[in-house]
Amino acid sequence: NAGVTQTPKFRVLKTGQSMTLLCAQDMNHEYMYWYRQDPGMGLRLIHYSVGEGTTAKGEVPDGYNVSRLKKQNFLLGLESAAPSQTSVYFCASSYSGIPNSPLHFGNGTRLTVT
Amino acid sequence: GENVEQHPSTLSVQEGDSAVIKCTYSDSASNYFPWYKQELGKRPQLIIDIRSNVGEKKDQRIAVTLNKTAKHFSLHITETQPEDSAVYFCAASGSGGSNYKLTFGKGTLLTVNP
Repeated sequence: NAGVTQTPKFRVLKTGQSMTLLCAQDMNHEYMYWYRQDPGMGLRLIHYSVGEGTTAKGEVPDGYNVSRLKKQNFLLGLESAAPSQTSVYFCASSYSGIPNSPLHFGNGTRLTVT
Repeated sequence: GENVEQHPSTLSVQEGDSAVIKCTYSDSASNYFPWYKQELGKRPQLIIDIRSNVGEKKDQRIAVTLNKTAKHFSLHITETQPEDSAVYFCAASGSGGSNYKLTFGKGTLLTVNP
C-alpha cells in the first residue's frame, strides 16, 4: 500500500514549456486535490476532484488544467509554464468529503521555472 | 470564501516548555479544523483535528481548543521536544458547496531548542 505517489519529484522547466504532474493513489479514495506551497503562503488549492470524471477549480486555478480519467489518478497540467509557477506541488486524497475523512498527502514535486 | 489567519509565523521555545499556535477563521459555518505538521522536506501530516460540536480535544502532549463564538482555535503542545520542530498548519473546512475543501493558514515554524 503505497498511499499517494507523485511523479516526478523534481523538475526544471523553461518559460513556455509544458508538463504534466502525475498523482496516483491506491487507497480507493474518491476525492483528490492539488495544492501548491510557496514560502510564507501556506498551502493553496489549485483544483480538486470529487470522483472519477469530475474536476473543479480551487483558489488559484489559473494557468493549470487537471484531469481525472481514472479514479486512482489525478493529473495536473501546465500548458505554458511561467516563473510564477515555481513552487512545491502536493497532491492529496481523501476517502470521502471533509470532515468525514482526513487528507493524505503525497511527497510533493518541486518545480522550478526559469 | 473562507479566510484563515495563523499566528505567530515563527515560534522558538526551550525543550520542555509549552507552545501555543493560534488561528482565526472567517466563515462562521465552517465545522472542521485540522492541524498538520510538516517536517523539513516532507509531506504535511495530520496530527489532530476538532469539529465544531466539540470545544477541546487532547491527544497525549497535543491539544486543540475551539471558540466558535470568537471564531478562533488553537494548538497547544506541552513538554516540547526537539522532534516537535516543524512547520504547523491550521486549516478550516468550507461550508455548503465548499465542504470538500480545506483552507490553510500560512504556517508556523516551531523551533524547539535543546
